[in-house]
Amino acid sequence: GQNIDQPTEMTATEGAIVQINCTYQTSGFNGLFWYQQHAGEAPTFLSYNVLDGLEEKGRFSSFLSRSKGYSYLLLKELQMKDSASYLCAGGYSNYQLIWGAGTKLIIKP
Amino acid sequence: DTAVSQTPKYLVTQMGNDKSIKCEQNLGHDTMYWYKQDSKKFLKIMFSYNNKELIINETVPNRFSPKSPDKAHLNLHINSLELGDSAVYFCASSHLGGQDGYTFGSGTRLTVV
Repeated sequence: GQNIDQPTEMTATEGAIVQINCTYQTSGFNGLFWYQQHAGEAPTFLSYNVLDGLEEKGRFSSFLSRSKGYSYLLLKELQMKDSASYLCAGGYSNYQLIWGAGTKLIIKP
Repeated sequence: DTAVSQTPKYLVTQMGNDKSIKCEQNLGHDTMYWYKQDSKKFLKIMFSYNNKELIINETVPNRFSPKSPDKAHLNLHINSLELGDSAVYFCASSHLGGQDGYTFGSGTRLTVV
């Protein structure tokens, strides 16, 4: 199978840093997506990693290790508006995109 | 505005009815998708079309029939609706392979009563 695993829920404090982990099956793997989904809204694209290493985009960074089947999304200087679900999705051969169930991030003042 | 637009946003209907959801994108993408997101928030691919050709057809009941008249449109028709069909249905589009990201429509919340 091509399971995508990520924690169900995480809690963090405003202004802090949080890391959301994701593991995936490596067979047939092409790249790793992260999406943000606020309650009742559509997912919005955050990042796509193909190569190993860290890619930074403002307060959000995404890391990939292809050999370990592991990725994380790092959110810095957390703001209340960052409260959302963060979806990890693996892109595989035959254009398949396999989604994790999402990590609900709760930000507390 | 460049976007993926789907209609209707909300759909409440009785069991056994037939309904359609429409989707259009003006992003110039060549691939479009239908996803179902259930109460547990899993996004599950249902169908994908590339330039009007079906490329992904997951195991969904044949009561669900997609139609793509051109690469900018992908509609979803559902026959004989059942209670278990209640979910949010998202249309999305991308370039083939999706490396630049998928753009999602705002979703259609279907409630079957």
